Amino acid sequence: EVQLVESGGGLVQPRGSLRLSCAASGFSFSSYSMNWVRQAPGKGLEWVAYISSSSYSIYYADSVKGRVTISRDNAKNSLYLQMNSLRAEDTAVYYCARAYGRNSAFDFWGQGTMVTVSS
Amino acid sequence: DIQMTQSPSTLSASVGDRVTITCRASQTISSWLAWYQQKPGKAPNLLIYDASNLESGVPSRFSGSGSGTEFTLTISSLQPDDFATYYCQQYNSYSPYTFGQGTKLEIK
Repeated sequence: EVQLVESGGGLVQPRGSLRLSCAASGFSFSSYSMNWVRQAPGKGLEWVAYISSSSYSIYYADSVKGRVTISRDNAKNSLYLQMNSLRAEDTAVYYCARAYGRNSAFDFWGQGTMVTVSS
Repeated sequence: DIQMTQSPSTLSASVGDRVTITCRASQTISSWLAWYQQKPGKAPNLLIYDASNLESGVPSRFSGSGSGTEFTLTISSLQPDDFATYYCQQYNSYSPYTFGQGTKLEIK
């Protein structure tokens, strides 16, 4: 069974940092590209970051560029999102989602982890 | 960046109705378009990929069409489980991925 389980969310103060993790199982993690997508409370979906299967290609949304870093460890079947200089507008549920490649839909999503940025 | 515009934002319909949701891209995206269904408190679920391909396990009452800049998602006969929010997404490799703003499908 394919599983993506996010963790690491929580309450953080503005300008603080947080590291999200996504543990993958049930499929060949190293064969898939991965993404982070977020959803602010009551709002729509916003793509955040992409990493290719080998980590060769990495892309970020303009809204987070320079403040977040996506990475992966294929040996541990894990995906990460290091978030720095957090702002109130970063408050959202963060989902990890897999895709077969750059031109691929997101065919499986985790259940999400909530990040709240507030003093 | 490519902007995705969905219409309508809200749609009221009854069980058994045929409904169509439209998604327009601000520039051509070939067929690099997906449709997702999301229920409250849950992650999105892929319905259609590459504009018209039905994801495995998705009921055949869902269908997608279009290419270039205009796309549609059609549900041929609404079932109670279909009342949810639907998003389109473009995944053109030369642009950041973007989603439509969503269409909330409500029971009339």
